[in-house]
Amino acid sequence: GAVVSQHPSRVICKSGTSVKIECRSLDFQATTMFWYRQFPKQSLMLMATSNEGSKATYEQGVEKDKFLINHASLTLSTLTVTSAHPEDSSFYICSATAMRNRANTGELFFGEGSRLTVL
Amino acid sequence: SQQGEEDPQALSIQEGENATMNCSYKTSINNLQWYRQNSGRGLVHLILIRSNEREKHSGRLRVTLDTSKKSSSLLITASRAADTASYFCATLPAGGSRLTFGEGTQLTVNP
Repeated sequence: GAVVSQHPSRVICKSGTSVKIECRSLDFQATTMFWYRQFPKQSLMLMATSNEGSKATYEQGVEKDKFLINHASLTLSTLTVTSAHPEDSSFYICSATAMRNRANTGELFFGEGSRLTVL
Repeated sequence: SQQGEEDPQALSIQEGENATMNCSYKTSINNLQWYRQNSGRGLVHLILIRSNEREKHSGRLRVTLDTSKKSSSLLITASRAADTASYFCATLPAGGSRLTFGEGTQLTVNP
């Protein structure tokens, strides 16, 4: 099956610093990657959609200057939380779609998530 | 309210019993998917059912889809303690490209 690797799994940082989270598709090319944020005991909230080689599309209410997304290759997307504050503490999850039989079923393959704690 | 609403929000059963979770949605869909999430982990795809399908099986999982009622159910038979997790339904809208997730059902299977 398709594997998505997300790193780091946990990060603790001081307020005001920036944190980068990487999401890699290991055995397939991911034309589209998605970044989600999840609060405890809640569902996933889509932050942005990232297409290889183009600018990310952000959901309403998500600050693009705060959450920088780069999708430089078909196997790597990064999310950088800039000038992090305690309210940015959350669980961030990436996912990717894979093309199968020239069709996108919409099935998503998820990374293991990154727990960000901003002190 | 959000596309993909699930009930119950939480379900606690004994090992060996069956667990049923329901999902309702509002718009026309291309397909509906169920995912599982263990605490503090990413989501794992369980099963996908297309809009022209009514029922699908995978191991101990059985998914039904009723497009007239815009609802789906996930049945886990002969549950095990290891099935303890959150289960999310997600819909792919007709003509769309992004999944919308429900609020999830927290399933606890007691040994």
